[in-house]
Amino acid sequence: EPEVTQTPSHQVTQMGQEVILRCVPISNHLYFYWYRQILGQKVEFLVSFYNNEISEKSEIFDDQFSVERPDGSNFTLKIRSTKLEDSAMYFCASHYRGGIQTQYFGPGTRLLVL
Amino acid sequence: GENVEQHPSTLSVQEGDSAVIKCTYSDSASNYFPWYKQELGKRPQLIIDIRSNVGEKKDQRIAVTLNKTAKHFSLHITETQPEDSAVYFCAARPFTGGGNKLTFGTGTQLKVEL
Repeated sequence: EPEVTQTPSHQVTQMGQEVILRCVPISNHLYFYWYRQILGQKVEFLVSFYNNEISEKSEIFDDQFSVERPDGSNFTLKIRSTKLEDSAMYFCASHYRGGIQTQYFGPGTRLLVL
Repeated sequence: GENVEQHPSTLSVQEGDSAVIKCTYSDSASNYFPWYKQELGKRPQLIIDIRSNVGEKKDQRIAVTLNKTAKHFSLHITETQPEDSAVYFCAARPFTGGGNKLTFGTGTQLKVEL
């Protein structure tokens, strides 16, 4: 069964550094999301992406964050200047069609900002 | 925006007993309510979902009920097994003009004891 994949599984970075988290959604999916989960807390929506543009973003998704679909398979989340509070698990999710659809989550990238 | 409350935060049951997790939501326009199971360090996995035009849905030992008037929905697990031990998250899809952003509850740590 196809799955969403994410790389790297873990990333440690220094505060102020840029990080890029990568996701490969399920191949025929058209809608993409990033969520984050701070340790021990709930999953929080960051951004949704469709047709090569952001559909919706949360207040967490400020100017330090950006998303891109550089080719036909990858979906990336960039954090320009990481802060300590960016430490979290970042999940990518995708689904095929619009409307009410099951979102399939990737395994996550554990980001630790020191 | 949508707000989802989830109770209890932890739940311990004996193997074979039933477990019930409850969630309330604030946006009466929300129309889709999935439940995700997350094992330690792994991705959230959809276990069951319900749409707002249905009051109850069952899949083997798992059932979900929805009360739109009261704006609450519940997960019921019968004949619990040790492998049911995990964190369970409820979520709601607020109506955002076609977007599929999920708002998650705070999670319930379910422990099934032998």
